Amino acid sequence: GQQVMQIPQYQHVQEGEDFTTYCNSSTTLSNIQWYKQRPGGHPVFLIQLVKSGEVKKQKRLTFQFGEAKKNSSLHITATQTTDVGTYFCAGPSGGGADGLTFGKGTHLIIQP
Amino acid sequence: ETGVTQTPRHLVMGMTNKKSLKCEQHLGHNAMYWYKQSAKKPLELMFVYNFKEQTENNSVPSRFSPECPNSSHLFLHLHTLQPEDSALYLCASSQGRGDGANVLTFGAGSRLTVL
Repeated sequence: GQQVMQIPQYQHVQEGEDFTTYCNSSTTLSNIQWYKQRPGGHPVFLIQLVKSGEVKKQKRLTFQFGEAKKNSSLHITATQTTDVGTYFCAGPSGGGADGLTFGKGTHLIIQP
Repeated sequence: ETGVTQTPRHLVMGMTNKKSLKCEQHLGHNAMYWYKQSAKKPLELMFVYNFKEQTENNSVPSRFSPECPNSSHLFLHLHTLQPEDSALYLCASSQGRGDGANVLTFGAGSRLTVL
């Protein structure tokens, strides 16, 4: 079945440093989504990328979708303590509303 | 408040008990999902209901039994569980069609401990 791999599993950064997490799928994706889960919380949708090579920005967050639509990245510029949490990428398990297959997530730990 | 409400938030049960988890969404969505999140595994899709019809169950053990009486309500019935079933059970919903067909809104989760 489809697999979504995410690296690194953990990332420690000093506050103010940049952070990047990478996602790779074993199959071509129709879209890829990113979610954030704060400690003790639940996953919250951040963004969906659909087009090959697409780049989207949300303030300090930059999301990219690869040309082959099999990989994606999330980059955070100048991290803040509010960025702490686990960032998941996810791709469709099948067509339509058949759910998402999630990567294992990258845990972002920020040292003040 | 996410628009997806799960109860109870915490549940402790013995292996011989029968209990149910409840999920309700107020977003007008047509698809609802159960996911399992444990410490060492990624989010695992358990069940999908799209327009009240179950479309995927991902080989979940029969001790987990879903029920979806309408597009707004989803239940997960639990019986004779094992300690390894202890996890956070997350309910989610999505539009079910169109561009946002599978964009998920999660509830806060039900933390289950099996003794």
